[in-house]
Amino acid sequence: GAVVSQHPSRVICKSGTSVKIECRSLDFQATTMFWYRQFPKQSLMLMATSNEGSKATYEQGVEKDKFLINHASLTLSTLTVTSAHPEDSSFYICSASGPAGNYGYTFGSGTRLTVV
Amino acid sequence: GQSLEQPSEVTAVEGAIVQINCTYQTSGFYGLSWYQQHDGGAPTFLSYNALDGLEETGRFSSFLSRSDSYGYLLLQELQMKDSASYFCAVKGSSNTGKLIFGQGTTLQVKP
Repeated sequence: GAVVSQHPSRVICKSGTSVKIECRSLDFQATTMFWYRQFPKQSLMLMATSNEGSKATYEQGVEKDKFLINHASLTLSTLTVTSAHPEDSSFYICSASGPAGNYGYTFGSGTRLTVV
Repeated sequence: GQSLEQPSEVTAVEGAIVQINCTYQTSGFYGLSWYQQHDGGAPTFLSYNALDGLEETGRFSSFLSRSDSYGYLLLQELQMKDSASYFCAVKGSSNTGKLIFGQGTTLQVKP
């Protein structure tokens, strides 16, 4: 089945630094990937839609310059949290639309970001 | 705006049947999905309805009524491992469009 690999699973960084999170589709090509953010006991909030070869589409209220998304190939999308602050601490999850005929989206295992 | 409503918590015993409802109000509709998420884990796809009616996948079934903007997830023969959060999600624009998630229902299965 469709597999999405996300790294790292956990990261702790200092305030003011940047963190890059990778999301790879391992056995299919994903022209579109999605990045979500989830706080404890809450739902998944869509941050942006990542399209291969073009600029990402950000949801209202999400800072483009803070959350940099790059989708340079059909199997890789990256999210960079720039100048991280403690309030950016959260669970970040990527997902990808599977191969044609697969109506469900496959999610990566998530990245627990802690900014200290 | 877009919103999906589902109960925040449901409790049931092992072996029982539980139904988790979801009502939605979205600008577009291309299907209703259900996802399961265990604590600390990623969501996993359970079921998808694009047309009205019931879809059955093992112990899980999902129903959709587009005229009522309503769907539900039915879990049968509950097991302890089914304790998790369950999210309904709507695809608003196309088959590869973004998912908008409900707030999630925490299911607790008791012995």
